[in-house]
Amino acid sequence: DSGVTQTPKHLITATGQRVTLRCSPRSGDLSVYWYQQSLDQGLQFLIQYYNGEERAKGNILERFSAQQFPDLHSELNLSSLELGDSALYFCASSARTSRETQYFGPGTRLLVL
Amino acid sequence: AQSVTQLDSQVPVFEEAPVELRCNYSSSVSVYLFWYVQYPNQGLQLLLKYLSGSTLVKGINGFEAEFNKSQTSFHLRKPSVHISDTAEYFCAVSSFSGYALNFGKGTSLLVTP
Repeated sequence: DSGVTQTPKHLITATGQRVTLRCSPRSGDLSVYWYQQSLDQGLQFLIQYYNGEERAKGNILERFSAQQFPDLHSELNLSSLELGDSALYFCASSARTSRETQYFGPGTRLLVL
Repeated sequence: AQSVTQLDSQVPVFEEAPVELRCNYSSSVSVYLFWYVQYPNQGLQLLLKYLSGSTLVKGINGFEAEFNKSQTSFHLRKPSVHISDTAEYFCAVSSFSGYALNFGKGTSLLVTP
């Protein structure tokens, strides 16, 4: 158990819908990262937050957005969902004193039908 | 930007045999290197990391890896594998200036009796 929690574990929805994935980092960690794992694209970095502020963006679609709240939990919002958005979404966190080392949550498996 | 190539998509090996999973990276700047393991239907677990110093790093579960700057490689090794080592292994790289991970496509290690 890494100490990073993600909810829900599984999500089934329809095309065109909007969903919110939630992540709680390890206690004390200020950085949160979101990754997408799919069969065709592999593991891809989406976005990073540090203490509430966006720090880096990767291959994140405009239909996707994220935020980090004052209690440091983070949410990833996916809208206008397409079949190709079906994937495993991971959240990771890292400590202020060792920001290079990320610890991953168990992931949210999203299925868009 | 950095990139990672995992040279083998699948590695079958017999129990108690040694194994090496190969990883090469490309980067114009200094990097941090990581190996993560993903067991079926689970998240990513950190096996080991190279940040600086000794080029031979030891991780959990008896794994070790050697950083070779001239060969731009970071191969993962274990002298004797167990059935329980069957999993997907990912090599990842990040730069000193940004901590988002770039992952390889993964190597599936299958250990059979």
